[in-house]
Amino acid sequence: GQNIDQPTEMTATEGAIVQINCTYQTSGFNGLFWYQQHAGEAPTFLSYNVLDGLEEKGRFSSFLSRSKGYSYLLLKELQMKDSASYLCAVRDSNYQLIWGAGTKLIIKP
Amino acid sequence: SQTIHQWPATLVQPVGSPLSLECTVEGTSNPNLYWYRQAAGRGLQLLFYSVGIGQISSEVPQNLSASRPQDRQFILSSKKLLLSDSGFYLCAWSFIPGQNNSPLHFGNGTRLTVT
Repeated sequence: GQNIDQPTEMTATEGAIVQINCTYQTSGFNGLFWYQQHAGEAPTFLSYNVLDGLEEKGRFSSFLSRSKGYSYLLLKELQMKDSASYLCAVRDSNYQLIWGAGTKLIIKP
Repeated sequence: SQTIHQWPATLVQPVGSPLSLECTVEGTSNPNLYWYRQAAGRGLQLLFYSVGIGQISSEVPQNLSASRPQDRQFILSSKKLLLSDSGFYLCAWSFIPGQNNSPLHFGNGTRLTVT
């Protein structure tokens, strides 16, 4: 079967750095997406990786290793507004998105 | 630029009543359209997706149905709601996969409570 694993919950301190990991086992690979979802709101697109390596977008970076079936989202200079769930999703060989259950990130002052 | 509209934002319906949620996309043609459900504290469950007018693929057998009467309109319906239909319903669109990396863009969602 197809599977995406993420930690259920993480806690970090304002101003610090946090890394949210995602491992996947899918039928083929056509890209990996990270989304942010604040409580009670819809997910919003953060980043996309299809080749190995690091993609940087301001305070957020996303890394991909296709050979290891592994990605991480790195958040720097954490702010209270970064408290949210972070969803990892992989597009498989049929171009269907397989979603992880999400990681709830709690930021403490 | 593209926008997606979904309504209503919240809905409280009694068991056995019908349901109609509507979603429209502006600023693009022939998008892929999706209906997802998210139970409290859970991941996203794909319910239906559509690659064109009248073309609907169902991912989960249930008492829900979807229709795409126009290119940029997607409707989620039920004839008789169950308690288990409660949840957060999300409509989304994307370009055809393979174009512009094709992330999904979500509407604001509908929080449905069946009582």
